[in-house]
Amino acid sequence: SQKIEQNSEALNIQEGKTATLTCNYTNYSPAYLQWYRQDPGRGPVFLLLIRENEKEKRKERLKVTFDTTLKQSLFHITASQPADSATYLCALKHNQGGKLIFGQGTELSVK
Amino acid sequence: EPEVTQTPSHQVTQMGQEVILRCVPISNHLYFYWYRQILGQKVEFLVSFYNNEISEKSEIFDDQFSVERPDGSNFTLKIRSTKLEDSAMYFCASTIGTGEVSGYTFGSGTRLTVV
Repeated sequence: SQKIEQNSEALNIQEGKTATLTCNYTNYSPAYLQWYRQDPGRGPVFLLLIRENEKEKRKERLKVTFDTTLKQSLFHITASQPADSATYLCALKHNQGGKLIFGQGTELSVK
Repeated sequence: EPEVTQTPSHQVTQMGQEVILRCVPISNHLYFYWYRQILGQKVEFLVSFYNNEISEKSEIFDDQFSVERPDGSNFTLKIRSTKLEDSAMYFCASTIGTGEVSGYTFGSGTRLTVV
């Protein structure tokens, strides 16, 4: 069956350190993978998108990698700040379908 | 920055009643979506809408659900006869294309509580 799995436990990080979040998927052939931030009671906010033929994407303190062989994406926040505390969602769009499928999210706490 | 606007922010309704959730997508976007998130669970796809018709729908989106773009700006989700299990946050989203360049823009959601 098709699955998207993120770090199941909350991630606690010291301010200034790099946070690394993992997204694994099975039985998908995604055209691209996206990362979103979600704050409590709010809608997801788009952060970064990486295509299947791209290995890495950067935006300010954020970096995403995409390994289609391992079926994994890593999301890094460098020099993390308390304001980065939120739930981070990975989402992918299947090659043959239009809908965006979300992982369950990883809750990040920076202190 | 352009926003997707959803109303109401909260809706409490009795089981069996009809509800309409409203969304104003970003004006130059062409693709519209409804997602829902039951408390503590994943964001789940409900339906996508393009060119005035449903392009894809999930198993959740049964005959009790319908969508409409009545006037070229609003995009609505109707639940005809609400059930307790319909209680969730409902998010509207829009994209200018298929979402491959700038991602999806989500609204802040409508919290629906069915009692």
